[in-house]
Amino acid sequence: DSGVTQTPKHLITATGQRVTLRCSPRSGDLSVYWYQQSLDQGLQFLIQYYNGEERAKGNILERFSAQQFPDLHSELNLSSLELGDSALYFCASATRPDTGELFFGEGSRLTVL
Amino acid sequence: AQKITQTQPGMFVQEKEAVTLDCTYDTSDPSYGLFWYKQPSSGEMIFLIYQGSYDQQNATEGRYSLNFQKARKSANLVISASQLGDSAMYFCAMRENYNYGQNFVFGPGTRLSVLP
Repeated sequence: DSGVTQTPKHLITATGQRVTLRCSPRSGDLSVYWYQQSLDQGLQFLIQYYNGEERAKGNILERFSAQQFPDLHSELNLSSLELGDSALYFCASATRPDTGELFFGEGSRLTVL
Repeated sequence: AQKITQTQPGMFVQEKEAVTLDCTYDTSDPSYGLFWYKQPSSGEMIFLIYQGSYDQQNATEGRYSLNFQKARKSANLVISASQLGDSAMYFCAMRENYNYGQNFVFGPGTRLSVLP
C-alpha cells in the first residue's frame, strides 16, 4: 500500500460526459502528479501540483483540468469525453519531488463507451 | 526526441537466472534522477530502485541493481535470481526539472516474462 488513494477505481461513462477523479496523496506529501496510461502504452505526464499551485504541465488536453485543494487532495476533471480518453489514470505523490521517488495510487480505470 | 528509450519490448528469462533490462536516457540537465518501476498485471506501479545523477556508486535494492553508465547515458536494471512473480512490465523513468517543477518521464516499458 503506497498510501496514495484514488477514487473511483473503475468508471464507465458515455461519450460527451464529464467525470471527476479524486486523489489523496500520502500523508505529508505536498506534490501531486497525474498521469494517463492508455492500453499497452507508457505513462503520459499530465500535470503536477505542489502545495496547491500548478508547477508543471505536460500533454494535458484543454478538455481536462485539475486542481489541488488546501487539504492537498487533488481532482482531475475530464469533460466532453471521447472514446480515446479511455485509459488508466494514475495519481502519484512525492515528499521531495526534486530528490525522491513518486508513490503511485492504484489508478482509476476510465472506460468511455 | 524520446527522452527515455527502452529497446526491448519483451524479454524472457528462465526462473533463477539473471536478466538485464536496458534503458537509455537523454537530458541536458546536470541534476536528474533515474528510476525503475514495476507494473504487474494488476496494474499498480511499484517503485523498485533509484539512482541520482551525482551518485558515484550503482544503486542496489535486494535482487535489483542499477547499472549506471553516465557517459553512455544508460541506466540498465539487473534482476538477479528471477522469480515467477517478477513477470510484469518494467518502466524506466527520469526526473528532470520542468517548468517550475519536476517532470518524471517514463519509457515505453519492457514486458518481462519469467519461465518456470
